Amino acid sequence: DTAVSQTPKYLVTQMGNDKSIKCEQNLGHDTMYWYKQDSKKFLKIMFSYNNKELIINETVPNRFSPKSPDKAHLNLHINSLELGDSAVYFCASSQDAIEGQPQHFGDGTRLSIL
Amino acid sequence: QKEVEQDPGPLSVPEGAIVSLNCTYSNSAFQYFMWYRQYSRKGPELLMYTYSSGNKEDGRFTAQVDKSSKYISLFIRDSQPSDSATYLCAMSGGNQFYFGTGTSLTVIP
Repeated sequence: DTAVSQTPKYLVTQMGNDKSIKCEQNLGHDTMYWYKQDSKKFLKIMFSYNNKELIINETVPNRFSPKSPDKAHLNLHINSLELGDSAVYFCASSQDAIEGQPQHFGDGTRLSIL
Repeated sequence: QKEVEQDPGPLSVPEGAIVSLNCTYSNSAFQYFMWYRQYSRKGPELLMYTYSSGNKEDGRFTAQVDKSSKYISLFIRDSQPSDSATYLCAMSGGNQFYFGTGTSLTVIP
């Protein structure tokens, strides 16, 4: 069974559209994350939730809104997509939010904006 | 100055070579050090995890941390074509978590 799974794997859409990415983890972890990886492979954290509560909210446009319906799920909704949003978005989870916990990643959602 | 510096490569070595991958950092609060391996079109996969200074060995992989120099290394012995991937260092401490930019490695058969 996949530990951290994201859907969809690929997302191709037009500028201005609204789209959502879903993430689920079956590791029993309390903390989940969204990262954006650009073309140079740099991983930049966007958000983190611990037990459904937002704990990290980096400088990200308001068009990005995370939602955690329960601690096993973390979704990302993006409004009014722009060309610069094209990237790979990774979901990750860790046992808890105590520092030093290693993170476990999904295989990413490749978002392409036309 | 970036929190974590990592040479992006690319690094190309023949099969069987010893590979050395390195990261430097500036934040002395970092206590936890990790190496992730990322295959093409896949997510980063945790490879090695160490706390504070010292060495840790796991099969062909050895992770070294030198906190006095703010320098961490990953050594791969007897490298295999299946080791071809991007390797990212990561470190945590002081309520911060940072990834390096990754080093692309190709092991040529």
